Amino acid sequence: GESVGLHLPTLSVQEGDNSIINCAYSNSASDYFIWYKQESGKGPQFIIDIRSNMDKRQGQRVTVLLNKTVKHLSLQIAATQPGDSAVYFCADGRDAGNMLTFGGGTRLMVKP
Amino acid sequence: DAGITQSPRHKVTETGTPVTLRCHQTENHRYMYWYRQDPGHGLRLIHYSYGVKDTDKGEVSDGYSVSRSKTEDFLLTLESATSSQTSVYFCAISYPLGTSGINEQFFGPGTRLTVL
Repeated sequence: GESVGLHLPTLSVQEGDNSIINCAYSNSASDYFIWYKQESGKGPQFIIDIRSNMDKRQGQRVTVLLNKTVKHLSLQIAATQPGDSAVYFCADGRDAGNMLTFGGGTRLMVKP
Repeated sequence: DAGITQSPRHKVTETGTPVTLRCHQTENHRYMYWYRQDPGHGLRLIHYSYGVKDTDKGEVSDGYSVSRSKTEDFLLTLESATSSQTSVYFCAISYPLGTSGINEQFFGPGTRLTVL
C-alpha cells in the first residue's frame, strides 16, 4: 500500500448505492492483498483478500478487483448501508515473512 | 476481535515514565504484532514475534521493546515514554483464515496512549 496525506480521502455515497474504494500499491512482488474496515474507536476488521494471480474475488456484498498492470486494487460494496461507514484500507503482503504493508485509507460516508 | 484482548484500553501517562501494554490471545497463534496508528501514517509496525522469545524489529522500533514469554502474551514496553509516542496501539495475530494460503492479520481493539 501507499501512504496518503494527513487528511484521508473521503467518499460520500447515498445509502443503497454501490461504493468503489480504490487503492494503489507499489510492490509488484506482492503475493496477496487484503482489505480492512476500521470503524471509529475500533481495531481494523478483515473484509476480504485476493491472491496476486487472481483478478477478481467476491464475498458477501463486496468484490475486490486487482489490476496488476497498473498496480491498482479496488473494493466494491454493493447496496451500501449506514453500517458500512468507516475507514477502509488495503494492505499487501508476501508469503515469505508474514508481513503486511498498509495503505493510508479512505473514509466512506454513507448518507441516509 | 479474533480472540485478542489488549490492556489497558486507555492510558494517560507523563513523559519519562515506563509504560507496558499487554496483548493476549486465546488461540495459540505463532505470529503476533504491535502496530501504532497515527493520522497521516496509517498502521506502522513496531515489533513482531514469531514464537516464544522470538521477536524482531519493525519499521518504528526505536524507544520500544517487547517480550513474549508465553505464546498467549505479547508485551510492548515504552521504557521512558515521550510525547511522540502518543498514539493508538494495535496488537495483531496472524493465521490462515481460508484455503488460499494467505496469513491474514486480525487485530485487537487497540490501546489509546497519551503521553503528557
